[in-house]
This record gives sequence, structure tokens and C-alpha cells, in this order.
Amino acid sequence: QVQLVESGGDVVQPGRSLRLSCAAFGFTFSSYGMHWVRQAPGKGLEWVAVISYDGRSEYYAASVKGRFTISRDNSKNTLYLQMNSLRGDDTAVYYCAKPYRGGALIYYYDSWGQGTLVTVSS
Amino acid sequence: DIQMTQSPSSLSASVGDRVTITCRASQDISNYLAWYQQRPGKVPKLLIYAASALHSGVPSRFSGSGSGTDFILTISSLQPEDLATYYCQNYNTAPPTFGQGTKVEI
Repeated sequence: QVQLVESGGDVVQPGRSLRLSCAAFGFTFSSYGMHWVRQAPGKGLEWVAVISYDGRSEYYAASVKGRFTISRDNSKNTLYLQMNSLRGDDTAVYYCAKPYRGGALIYYYDSWGQGTLVTVSS
Repeated sequence: DIQMTQSPSSLSASVGDRVTITCRASQDISNYLAWYQQRPGKVPKLLIYAASALHSGVPSRFSGSGSGTDFILTISSLQPEDLATYYCQNYNTAPPTFGQGTKVEI
């Protein structure tokens, strides 16, 4: 059974950094590109970033490009999101999401983590 | 980026009603369209992919249709557990984009 477990969410001041983690279980992690999707309080879903199965390709939403870095450690079945220069509009629940198919970088998601809350506030 | 626009933003219906939600893409995305259900306080759940294919375990009262730029999610007979916000998602090209959501109240 697929399980995604995020951690690392916290309350941080604007301009500071935070690293999120997503531990993956129940599937061949190294065969799937993985995504981060966020949801601001009371708002809709916003795609954040994707990394290819081998870590060689990354893509970012314009709103986070240059500030966030997605990475992965296939030996630990773990996905990361390094968030720098955090702003108030980065406040959100951050989900890691697994696409249904391993081959495509952009696909629909059949599994989501429970999310981790990042609050950016002074 | 491809913009996804859902309508209505919210709706209120009764148990047993037929409910339709529309999603429009700003350019042709063929059938690379998924629908998700997010119940209050819960994680999004995949309902429909490839515009009309029902994901495993999803009740048959849910159906999807459309291609190109115009898509519809239909709930044939609304149930109390369908209280949720529904999102469409384009996965034709990067970046994948979501509609703003349609809140269904009962």
C-alpha cells in the first residue's frame, strides 16, 4: 500500500529557510517522478515542483523558482523541498504527490501525503 | 501556462440531485484532464483521469466527459458524502495546473 509521509513544516519568519521531507513507502520510489503541491489556507491547489525519477530534471512553478529546490534520495526513498527566502504567501499545507505512472514527468496523482503545514509569519 | 477555469465556484444541491461541474482549459489539452475530490479537512482524492476514465474504487455515480478545452464532471445522484470541493487538473503540459475548485454543499 502506497504511503507518503511529509514532515518538516513549522512556523518561520519571512526571509528564513525550511526543508520539507516526504518519506515514501509501498512502491518503487526510484521509478517515479515526484511532485510537491501546496494549498494555502482556504484556497485551492497549486503545483509547486517536480523532480524526475533519477533526479536529473526539475521544474518549478514561477512563484517559487529561484527560491525553492526539489531533490530526492532514492537510497532513502525520500523526497525533499528546500525552501529559501520564504514569504507570507508561501504559507500553505505542502503535499507530496505520486503520479499514477512512473514514466511521465507530468501526470495525474493517485496518491497524496497527509500534508505538512508551513506558516510564514513574523 | 494553461489556465483552468471551473464553474460554478460553489453550488448547493439536495440529496439525489444530478450535479454538473464545468472545467474549461485556456488551450487544447486533448483528454489530459483529471478530477479530484477534497472533502473538508482531507487530502485530495483522484476521481477521474483521461477526462472520462473512472479511477478504481470510485462510485459509478461519478462520470466525466469532454475533450479539447471543455470538460464536465457529473454526479448522477448526489449523496451526503459528496460534500466536498472538486478540482480539475490539466496534465497535458508542464506546469500541471488546477482549476480554482467548485465547492458542493448539500
